[in-house]
Amino acid sequence: DTAVSQTPKYLVTQMGNDKSIKCEQNLGHDTMYWYKQDSKKFLKIMFSYNNKELIINETVPNRFSPKSPDKAHLNLHINSLELGDSAVYFCASSQERAVQPQHFGDGTRLSIL
Amino acid sequence: SQQGEEDPQALSIQEGENATMNCSYKTSINNLQWYRQNSGRGLVHLILIRSNEREKHSGRLRVTLDTSKKSSSLLITASRAADTASYFCATVSGTALIFGKGTTLSVSS
Repeated sequence: DTAVSQTPKYLVTQMGNDKSIKCEQNLGHDTMYWYKQDSKKFLKIMFSYNNKELIINETVPNRFSPKSPDKAHLNLHINSLELGDSAVYFCASSQERAVQPQHFGDGTRLSIL
Repeated sequence: SQQGEEDPQALSIQEGENATMNCSYKTSINNLQWYRQNSGRGLVHLILIRSNEREKHSGRLRVTLDTSKKSSSLLITASRAADTASYFCATVSGTALIFGKGTTLSVSS
């Protein structure tokens, strides 16, 4: 059983489009995250979401917006996609706001044409 | 901002050899965590060491932490081809993990 699942695994789209990436965790964790991994494998936190409290990395453009319909889901919506958005996006979850180990999905590889 | 720096950036060894990776960080920590990432996959948690611990073992993994030097090391003993992956250290900052740039380990048979 997959603990943290993301869909789609690959996403190829044109500049200017709007897209969403879905994430679900079945671990009962109370905190979920979105990370961006660039071509040099550098991982950067984008958002963390805990009990309806959203913490945003101030460097993330407001074209990116997380949406959480419930505790087990944290989707990522991206407006007006740009070339620089090409990366692998990882969803993760944990208990206790990152003090505990995080469980990652397998990532969504986003390619902007 | 980036918290940790791993060293070396890349490491190539033969099966059966030991692999040592180092991590330095900048601020005070609650704990330090090591993760592995296989090609095309998500990160997998390996081991967590708390700030009041100096050494921790898990199977073939040994992690040390020196808070005075703000550094940690990950030792993989008797490496196997399946250990080929990228390894990242991470520290907690606020509500999320801050990752280093990672060490890419290649183990050849």
